Amino acid sequence: DAGVIQSPRHEVTEMGQEVTLRCKPISGHDYLFWYRQTMMRGLELLIYFNNNVPIDDSGMPEDRFSAKMPNASFSTLKIQPSEPRDSAVYFCASGGGYEQYFGPGTRLTVT
Amino acid sequence: GIQVEQSPPDLILQEGANSTLRCNFSDSVNNLQWFHQNPWGQLINLFYIPSGTKQNGRLSATTVATERYSLLYISSSQTTDSGVYFCAVGAYKLSFGAGTTVTVRA
Repeated sequence: DAGVIQSPRHEVTEMGQEVTLRCKPISGHDYLFWYRQTMMRGLELLIYFNNNVPIDDSGMPEDRFSAKMPNASFSTLKIQPSEPRDSAVYFCASGGGYEQYFGPGTRLTVT
Repeated sequence: GIQVEQSPPDLILQEGANSTLRCNFSDSVNNLQWFHQNPWGQLINLFYIPSGTKQNGRLSATTVATERYSLLYISSSQTTDSGVYFCAVGAYKLSFGAGTTVTVRA
């Protein structure tokens, strides 16, 4: 299997622009997770899905963030409008049970 | 949420040395994983170990769930072992420790 796939790997955008991050989970995994990593806050869970349904979005920082999973093989994390404090590495992970496997991450820089 | 404490925060090793990393957590858990974040930022799954002992090559891990701690052992360390080691606990919602930064010198 190719593992969890994320795109883009790097994104540089200006404050106020919309940003969309994409994730393809490992085939057969029914859990999908979005994390954010910063120096100040470490690794934080933003939201997770089970069978394409959002289960817990309590980690989503504010209404500017939204996540969708239209089917079992695709999820998006959208930030609109983006702000400099959103700069971070965003990871997607998937799992078939408790064990989670991480994608390579998207490094987002908002100027 | 569950509190996760990792120690030591930093570790410098000479190539070939052995080391032990510790993870303490504040509540009983269904899921405990150890990850290695390499210098390129990739998070690699090392062990899924909510209890018991597992070994994979030069790495092994032990979790004593009743005492709420886990240990990661690195034997005969190599420069490729450098990076940050994270312990993460919970169920589906993982809480990560702050990590142990390991530097292995040739």
